[in-house]
Amino acid sequence: AQSVTQLGSHVSVSEGALVLLRCNYSSSVPPYLFWYVQYPNQGLQLLLKYTTGATLVKGINGFEAEFKKSETSFHLTKPSAHMSDAAEYFCAVSDPGGFKTIFGAGTRLFVKA
Amino acid sequence: DAGVTQSPTHLIKTRGQQVTLRCSPKSGHDTVSWYQQALGQGPQFIFQYYEEEERQRGNFPDRFSGHQFPNYSSELNVNALLLGDSALYLCASSLEMNTEAFFGQGTRLTVV
Repeated sequence: AQSVTQLGSHVSVSEGALVLLRCNYSSSVPPYLFWYVQYPNQGLQLLLKYTTGATLVKGINGFEAEFKKSETSFHLTKPSAHMSDAAEYFCAVSDPGGFKTIFGAGTRLFVKA
Repeated sequence: DAGVTQSPTHLIKTRGQQVTLRCSPKSGHDTVSWYQQALGQGPQFIFQYYEEEERQRGNFPDRFSGHQFPNYSSELNVNALLLGDSALYLCASSLEMNTEAFFGQGTRLTVV
């Protein structure tokens, strides 16, 4: 079975500060890992994904994440937060076939001016 | 390209009623997945359709059923609605064996 744990339901940072959103996963097969962003009253938008190969993946809007198998982690980072980054972020894991994606509970990011 | 479109955007139903939600996948996509997102929670996988067949199912009761049509569009049906079925229902489309899913904006279902 697969599962995802996002550490911290709320994270608050100042504009220009580092963003770090934590995600740990559990999977009995090599996982595919994703980060999605959700703005109020909207669907989910894919930020980045890891399937195979390079463990540091870069996504849209300056975000990146590193797959660390030994730590079963896939933390999301951005060097400098913008006000427009304020949203809900979801980490997700799926099996390689992509048949079923399991989402974490989400982390709401607040950006202070 | 219109992306994934869902209808209706909002819906209010009474406990015990039945509801049908609709999803048109992104152009060229043949796989449709449905998710339930309760307030303050992450999306929960309901089921996935490919080639008009349910391929995978999450931990949801049989009151939740679906259908995929030859044009790849899909419906989610929920019978005997409960107050706890109130949620945002998201549809995601993808290409077979491709992990990148595109989500619609969802249907907000309120059961009163």
